[in-house]
Amino acid sequence: EDKVVQSPLSLVVHEGDTVTLNCSYEVTNFRSLLWYKQEKKAPTFLFMLTSSGIEKKSGRLSSILDKKELFSILNITATQTGDSAIYLCAPGRVDAGNMLTFGGGTRLMVKP
Amino acid sequence: EAQVTQNPRYLITVTGKKLTVTCSQNMNHEYMSWYRQDPGLGLRQIYYSMNVEVTDKGDVPEGYKVSRKEKRNFPLILESPSPNQTSLYFCASSPRDYHLAYGYTFGSGTRLTVV
Repeated sequence: EDKVVQSPLSLVVHEGDTVTLNCSYEVTNFRSLLWYKQEKKAPTFLFMLTSSGIEKKSGRLSSILDKKELFSILNITATQTGDSAIYLCAPGRVDAGNMLTFGGGTRLMVKP
Repeated sequence: EAQVTQNPRYLITVTGKKLTVTCSQNMNHEYMSWYRQDPGLGLRQIYYSMNVEVTDKGDVPEGYKVSRKEKRNFPLILESPSPNQTSLYFCASSPRDYHLAYGYTFGSGTRLTVV
């Protein structure tokens, strides 16, 4: 059975701090790993990672995948209150209808 | 605007009263899926559809039905809702090869309460 574990479950930081969110996975026929940000409504796409060791960046957010050790991290530097959200990682499989298996999420709260 | 539209956004119903949550996408996506989200459990897949008339079970299909008679629509049916189906539901769609399309597009969610 596929398994995705995110840590920490929740995190409270102050503006300007740097945070690292972790995602470990066990997924058969792994294809890629996606990160989503969920504020009050639907998850919105952040990154898709398919290759190990290649960092993807978008502004203050960056992410990297390690396919050997089966984990990914999401870094957020110089956090802002607008970064407060639940961050979800979702490894995707080649088969099973492109199914994504979502982790339980990390709830990040950034205080002013 | 490219989007996935779910209705209703909020619904309170009683145990055993059949209900349907609609989902429609205007992006000509082949793949559609339903998820439920419960605190601490992330999103769990209920059913998915690879194309018209093709549906399959996800991780938590019990108590749900779906149909895919047209490409754009993928309704979720609860024949006899129970309180343990109280949850936040999301519909999602993507082109068949989602890796080219940056993941799924999600609807805005339906918060269902069964009393």
